[in-house]
Amino acid sequence: EAQVTQNPRYLITVTGKKLTVTCSQNMNHEYMSWYRQDPGLGLRQIYYSMNVEVTDKGDVPEGYKVSRKEKRNFPLILESPSPNQTSLYFCASSLTGTSGSYEQYFGPGTRLTVT
Amino acid sequence: AQKVTQAQTEISVVEKEDVTLDCVYETRDTTYYLFWYKQPPSGELVFLIRRNSFDEQNEISGRYSWNFQKSTSSFNFTITASQVVDSAVYFCALRPNFGNEKLTFGTGTRLTIIP
Repeated sequence: EAQVTQNPRYLITVTGKKLTVTCSQNMNHEYMSWYRQDPGLGLRQIYYSMNVEVTDKGDVPEGYKVSRKEKRNFPLILESPSPNQTSLYFCASSLTGTSGSYEQYFGPGTRLTVT
Repeated sequence: AQKVTQAQTEISVVEKEDVTLDCVYETRDTTYYLFWYKQPPSGELVFLIRRNSFDEQNEISGRYSWNFQKSTSSFNFTITASQVVDSAVYFCALRPNFGNEKLTFGTGTRLTIIP
């Protein structure tokens, strides 16, 4: 089954304790992306990757890191989480091409609370 | 810069009524894609439709229909004969035809169907 998986699905942590949210897709997609969802703000892009070893900042990258060492995985790293990073996080993936018409598949979401 | 506006923050209708969710977008691109996603209370994002900017035909899928009007930069979504299962947050999104395939989301409309 084609899917994007995220782990953990729920996480409560404390300020400053490094954490990683994993994202994996089994569709051989080149493009992967992280979004955060906050009330009243919709979803905003954090980082994206056009392919292995190619990553770039989205609209709200501060406080986050990513890596793309393998095509299927795109982990999101919070080196020193703060309460303002409490949010619902989504990973997404899609094929890329000149048309841009490919559907973007979303993971189930990770609800993070930083106290 | 791209922008998506969903002016209706919350809508409540009685079951079986029709309801239209508004979406207005801004982009300088001549080619782009528009999307609608549904987010039920369980939190996942469910893809509903993708529309190419060159295709202004309205689309109907069961009780769902979409009205794309390029002249007014709108992509409205109508649910006919609403049902309780339609209760969710609905997001409209815009994606360029090239480069970072980022989805620019609106802030969402929370739809509540009253039994």
